[in-house]
Amino acid sequence: GQQLNQSPQSMFIQEGEDVSMNCTSSSIFNTWLWYKQDPGEGPVLLIALYKAGELTSNGRLTAQFGITRKDSFLNISASIPSDVGIYFCAGLQGAQKLVFGQGTRLTINP
Amino acid sequence: SAVISQKPSRDICQRGTSLTIQCQVDSQVTMMFWYRQQPGQSLTLIATANQGSEATYESGFVIDKFPISRPNLTFSTLTVSNMSPEDSSIYLCSVGTGGGGYGYTFGSGTRLTVV
Repeated sequence: GQQLNQSPQSMFIQEGEDVSMNCTSSSIFNTWLWYKQDPGEGPVLLIALYKAGELTSNGRLTAQFGITRKDSFLNISASIPSDVGIYFCAGLQGAQKLVFGQGTRLTINP
Repeated sequence: SAVISQKPSRDICQRGTSLTIQCQVDSQVTMMFWYRQQPGQSLTLIATANQGSEATYESGFVIDKFPISRPNLTFSTLTVSNMSPEDSSIYLCSVGTGGGGYGYTFGSGTRLTVV
């Protein structure tokens, strides 16, 4: 089935550093979503992107919907310990089907 | 956004048995979905739960193995039938909120271990 290529798979950074991760696809998506999943919890929506080229911020998080509609990136500035978790990109195909990336596991050294 | 209650939060089951997972939403929603997340993996859509009609299953998932009910616009169940250790996963309920289903919300999941 359709997959999104998310990279990197894992990141080990120092507290205070900036983080960048991205997703690419061979297919076009109508919407890009970025989620964060903590252990024992379901994914929580961080940012939703609806238009090609759109750049959206949510606090220290910034995400962009690629102009080709086949990619998106998520940046986290000045990382803090509670940013630890797994980040997933997801693309919306058609009216309702979400396709997820493989996830980026973020670990922060204090 | 919608609040989803999913039960049970976890269970350990014997192989060959079945488990029914419940998903309750605090508001009426058009779209409800069931996902599987295998250990250390991403999320894979199992099916879309349709109110008043049969669920729509994704490739690789069948109704006999994962029967789904959706009796109204706030509730759905997923049954994992005739379980084997390979079914050990997190099962997640999700709903689409807002126009066009944007802003999908997830329940906290059911962590299933089959022994």
